[in-house]
Amino acid sequence: ETGVTQSPTHLIKTRGQQVTLRCSSQSGHNTVSWYQQALGQGPQFIFQYYREEENGRGNFPPRFSGLQFPNYSSELNVNALELDDSALYLCASSQDYRAETQYFGPGTRLLVL
Amino acid sequence: AQSVTQPDIHITVSEGASLELRCNYSYGATPYLFWYVQSPGQGLQLLLKYFSGDTLVQGIKGFEAEFKRSQSSFNLRKPSVHWSDAAEYFCAVGPGYSSASKIIFGSGTRLSIRP
Repeated sequence: ETGVTQSPTHLIKTRGQQVTLRCSSQSGHNTVSWYQQALGQGPQFIFQYYREEENGRGNFPPRFSGLQFPNYSSELNVNALELDDSALYLCASSQDYRAETQYFGPGTRLLVL
Repeated sequence: AQSVTQPDIHITVSEGASLELRCNYSYGATPYLFWYVQSPGQGLQLLLKYFSGDTLVQGIKGFEAEFKRSQSSFNLRKPSVHWSDAAEYFCAVGPGYSSASKIIFGSGTRLSIRP
């Protein structure tokens, strides 16, 4: 059984650019949740995808968008990058939308210059 | 407003000593409560969770936590810490029906171990 993987591990972008982050969920899991973790803070919920549909969204602007594919892997897209988007982006997979037990990937460290 | 407070930003304990990390929450209903650990360069790993029943919860790596409704607390404990326990610890709270969209994390406590 493979764990949750994320790519890339690190990324440097400039303000105004667009970025796509990827997440492969754990085998048997149909739900992926994305979190933003700023330096020195706890993770903040961005959104959740359950069976390819968005199922809940946190307090993030529409330039944060996502997708979930039939194999339940997921993408997080961020348009018009801002300096404050610099953070560790975590995805977590779970067996269903209740996410009582989430398995986190190692994260993608995004730096916006 | 729903919130989670971890009052200690950084704690240092000696190896072999006991540990208690504090977590206080504000939530309108009976919450689900979680403790996660994050090592450098790693994602979060679930240590334990409380949904209902016995208020003393056992987790992995020898950790336990006690839910005290009267104090709105869910403190994490370990009787004897090991150097490998050095990491960032996050308390989190969610609604009784536990949807990821409502899980709120505290800002974390960084644990250092003194040899």
